[in-house]
Amino acid sequence: GQNIDQPTEMTATEGAIVQINCTYQTSGFNGLFWYQQHAGEAPTFLSYNVLDGLEEKGRFSSFLSRSKGYSYLLLKELQMKDSASYLCAVRDYGQNFVFGPGTRLSVLP
Amino acid sequence: ETGVTQTPRHLVMGMTNKKSLKCEQHLGHNAMYWYKQSAKKPLELMFVYSLEERVENNSVPSRFSPECPNSSHLFLHLHTLQPEDSALYLCASSQGRGPSGNTIYFGEGSWLTVV
Repeated sequence: GQNIDQPTEMTATEGAIVQINCTYQTSGFNGLFWYQQHAGEAPTFLSYNVLDGLEEKGRFSSFLSRSKGYSYLLLKELQMKDSASYLCAVRDYGQNFVFGPGTRLSVLP
Repeated sequence: ETGVTQTPRHLVMGMTNKKSLKCEQHLGHNAMYWYKQSAKKPLELMFVYSLEERVENNSVPSRFSPECPNSSHLFLHLHTLQPEDSALYLCASSQGRGPSGNTIYFGEGSWLTVV
């Protein structure tokens, strides 16, 4: 079966660092993706991992451990505009993207 | 112009109506998807079309009927829906198979309310 878990909600302060965790169990693995979704808008792509390790992209980094079925998204120097839902998704085989429930992040001043 | 466009953006329909959602992608991708997003639930994959052939149908009720006439267009035909079908319906497209950094691109979504 397919199962992707994330915390439901997180709160952090402007300027701080926050780590959003994701664990997955899927039938096949062809990459893990993180997306940002602001309320009422479509998800937009943030990062991609297929090999173990850390991928850095500006203020955002994403880590993957395939043996543990685990990933995290790290957001540094938080800004108010980072308040959004963050979706973890696994491309299991072929072209199927399976999404987690999303983590709603609130950034407070 | 966005890569994936959906119409209409908002739709209100009665339970006996028949309507359709339309999606068009301008990215040259070979796969298209319909997802359903309800409040406080994960994105649910409904249908996947690869090279115009349906390759995934996640036990979606028959009152939802997809159509993919070509690789750029995708429809979701709706009939005799229930109030619990009210949700945001997202169309998406992607390119390639297997391990790939080719991400999935979403349209802006169609907000559906069934009354």
